[in-house]
Amino acid sequence: DTGVSQDPRHKITKRGQNVTFRCDPISEHNRLYWYRQTLGQGPEFLTYFQNEAQLEKSRLLSDRFSAERPKGSFSTLEIQRTEQGDSAMYLCASSLGLAGAAGELFFGEGSRLTVL
Amino acid sequence: AQSVAQPEDQVNVAEGNPLTVKCTYSVSGNPYLFWYVQYPNRGLQFLLKYITGDNLVKGSYGFEAEFNKSQTSFHLKKPSALVSDSALYFCAVRFFSGGYNKLIFGAGTRLAVHP
Repeated sequence: DTGVSQDPRHKITKRGQNVTFRCDPISEHNRLYWYRQTLGQGPEFLTYFQNEAQLEKSRLLSDRFSAERPKGSFSTLEIQRTEQGDSAMYLCASSLGLAGAAGELFFGEGSRLTVL
Repeated sequence: AQSVAQPEDQVNVAEGNPLTVKCTYSVSGNPYLFWYVQYPNRGLQFLLKYITGDNLVKGSYGFEAEFNKSQTSFHLKKPSALVSDSALYFCAVRFFSGGYNKLIFGAGTRLAVHP
């Protein structure tokens, strides 16, 4: 399967613990996005990478959240000192960013976080 | 402010009947519009997009969407619904702001197709 893969698919943690999610994009895609989706809502943008550079962060991304894409391939999203409000589905997407093109995003199946 | 609205939380339709899932947008400049579908416990799957050209866009699984600039709408349609079309549908708009392209989603519409 050469789609976007995310790991783990489901994480249950206690409040105050740290969690890390990994995303492996489609190999030739240079753009990588993280979104958060809560029940009954559409995905909300968190952050965006072009190659290894993090170009934008949403105000939703508090200082407890950090994302990296060290070699321009896979990315990690870490949440420190989790809170119950962090419970959500974390979606990763990738796209091939070509100048002048509006390439669609390809999404992974998501990592569901439950904070007890 | 840029926004996408899906005015219906849920759409119910009988199998074999035509379906429409509504989407309106508010964005400055020329929008790029997308529809995605989400099945239970799965990620979003791309259905179709409008960039420019013909206002009627055809996509995956027999879906199509009509871009209407005067009404700022991009409704998703299918001539004959299948039970397997039951899922959550998201409209999205891409626009250029702050030096980058951004993609924002509507809240989603749940489509229920009854046998």
